[in-house]
Amino acid sequence: GAVVSQHPSWVICKSGTSVKIECRSLDFQATTMFWYRQFPKQSLMLMATSNEGSKATYEQGVEKDKFLINHASLTLSTLTVTSAHPEDSSFYICSAQANNNYGYTFGSGTRLTVV
Amino acid sequence: DAKTTQPTSMDCAEGRAANLPCNHSTISGNEYVYWYRQIHSQGPQYIIHGLKNNETNEMASLIITEDRKSSTLILPHATLRDTAVYYCIVRVRTGANNLFFGTGTRLTVIP
Repeated sequence: GAVVSQHPSWVICKSGTSVKIECRSLDFQATTMFWYRQFPKQSLMLMATSNEGSKATYEQGVEKDKFLINHASLTLSTLTVTSAHPEDSSFYICSAQANNNYGYTFGSGTRLTVV
Repeated sequence: DAKTTQPTSMDCAEGRAANLPCNHSTISGNEYVYWYRQIHSQGPQYIIHGLKNNETNEMASLIITEDRKSSTLILPHATLRDTAVYYCIVRVRTGANNLFFGTGTRLTVIP
């Protein structure tokens, strides 16, 4: 149990366009989900905390108007990268906490390439 | 959450035990030690966690020192598929706070 599905696994988009990434908890409900970003050869950096039914909490330095987060249900959070630029190219990963002993479950990640 | 210190990289021969150390000298009494690993281009995968007793599951063993200031993750028989970055994280178990990822240890299993 405690599976998090993330889609798409990779996406290439043109500079200036927007990209939506979905994160679903398949067999549990998650009132809180987390979005991370990971640049090559670096560790995961928390971008924002997504709360079901309320506004997301963004980490310092993360533009909330650029990285739109919607958590409209207990099983789905979305991250939209708006007006993407090449510097937004990164590996985006979501996670959620199931009500079990295993801490957090992570999605498989989304490789975003902006050209 | 307490800060952790891990070696940057380690090598291990295939079939041998891989012992990955972690220092967490400022750990609080209610903080657990969690281990995750990240295989290249995938999301992190939970391995094991513990509070103060040694723990074992189908993936690994976790040895926590009596003073809880350090721990060791043991992969008993490393395979090539265990090549990954291993993260040691300490945090309280309850509450919806995020996991803080340090730099981790890059384990390379050598044939």
